[in-house]
Amino acid sequence: DIQMTQSPSSLSASVGDRVTITCRASQDIINYLAWFQQKPGKAPKSLIYAASSLQSGVPSKFSGSGSGTDFTLTISSLQPEDFATYYCQQYNSYPLTFGQGTRLEIK
Amino acid sequence: QVQLVESGGGVVQPGRSLRLSCAASGFTFSRYDMLWGRQAPGKGLEWVAFISYDGINKYYADSVKGRFTISRDNSKNTLFLQMDSLRTEDTAVYYCGRSLSFDYWGQGTLVTVSS
Repeated sequence: DIQMTQSPSSLSASVGDRVTITCRASQDIINYLAWFQQKPGKAPKSLIYAASSLQSGVPSKFSGSGSGTDFTLTISSLQPEDFATYYCQQYNSYPLTFGQGTRLEIK
Repeated sequence: QVQLVESGGGVVQPGRSLRLSCAASGFTFSRYDMLWGRQAPGKGLEWVAFISYDGINKYYADSVKGRFTISRDNSKNTLFLQMDSLRTEDTAVYYCGRSLSFDYWGQGTLVTVSS
């Protein structure tokens, strides 16, 4: 199984900050990586697919990069609605696997 | 717009069965692979099962293999998850999702396995 490791597990930031979350795969997943945002009590929402492609309707303040085993999600100019938990997911091979999540909190 | 609406969750005793449904609308259901995922209380996301657009190919997480069965009815735009021999560790919110990259998620349905 491919293990997905996110860092950091939690992050405190201020409104207006730019933050980066990292996701590392235990083996090459090419670019078969997605990023999700989840708010408490809500379903996850897709942000990025194929490592760097923005889902329709997602603001351009979200961006993804990387290939192979190392990937990043960057959020620029944080707003109050961006404070949530973020997950990465690989879909290169079964079983599909998620990172453990990164909780982004207001400082 | 794409909509996925799960139903069928509830409280069930260990060893019993439950069948979840996911009604899809706003897209051509028969052209898309579909997934089930879940999230235990206070935990992260876990993939459960995959079914190809035509219902031919199916894959399962090891944790549910042999107990859960994914299926679909393309004539009714509906995805199913038959859950047998339920265990307390299956307690979670269950989500249906579209495509391998989960580009759309339903709102989820809570399954509680408890005696």
